[in-house]
Amino acid sequence: DVKVTQSSRYLVKRTGEKVFLECVQDMDHENMFWYRQDPGLGLRLIYFSYDVKMKEKGDIPEGYSVSREKKERFSLILESASTNQTSMYLCASLSWKNTEAFFGQGTRLTVV
Amino acid sequence: GENVEQHPSTLSVQEGDSAVIKCTYSDSASNYFPWYKQELGKRPQLIIDIRSNVGEKKDQRIAVTLNKTAKHFSLHITETQPEDSAVYFCAASLGNNDMRFGAGTRLTVKP
Repeated sequence: DVKVTQSSRYLVKRTGEKVFLECVQDMDHENMFWYRQDPGLGLRLIYFSYDVKMKEKGDIPEGYSVSREKKERFSLILESASTNQTSMYLCASLSWKNTEAFFGQGTRLTVV
Repeated sequence: GENVEQHPSTLSVQEGDSAVIKCTYSDSASNYFPWYKQELGKRPQLIIDIRSNVGEKKDQRIAVTLNKTAKHFSLHITETQPEDSAVYFCAASLGNNDMRFGAGTRLTVKP
């Protein structure tokens, strides 16, 4: 079974805090993605990575950074959390051998 | 990057009726179009996909059509059942490791 695991299901952080969201996949997938999901806006791509140490901006990268030091791990970093970053964050991984993206269970982040 | 638009945002049908969800994409180089279903509180999961060299694909009650010229693709669900109620996302991929999603359609099937 493909497994994409996000480190937390729920997080509550204060404005201005540095926040780390971790995602780990065990299928040796090359590509990993971070999306945020908001009602009526669907899944918006924040960043993606197609290889270790490689990253590409998605549609809404402002206020976020990412790190991919190992193939299996893709971290999303909120340098200084703000209330408008309260959202559901979904990580996904993808192998171009079969092109199906597998999602983590999501992290619901609340910034107060 | 690719821009994917999805309509309608909500759809309510009677059990047994058909449901159709439509998506358009902006980049003619996109070559892979998956559909994901997200049940309440769960992660999105792939239900069907289509590649740019195919016009239609069926899997039991689900079908997807692709019109490359018009840059749109659609999901068709026949004989809907209450368990089809979920949020459905279309996506388009350029084949360069990128994947962009539509805004989602909340489908409600009324018994």
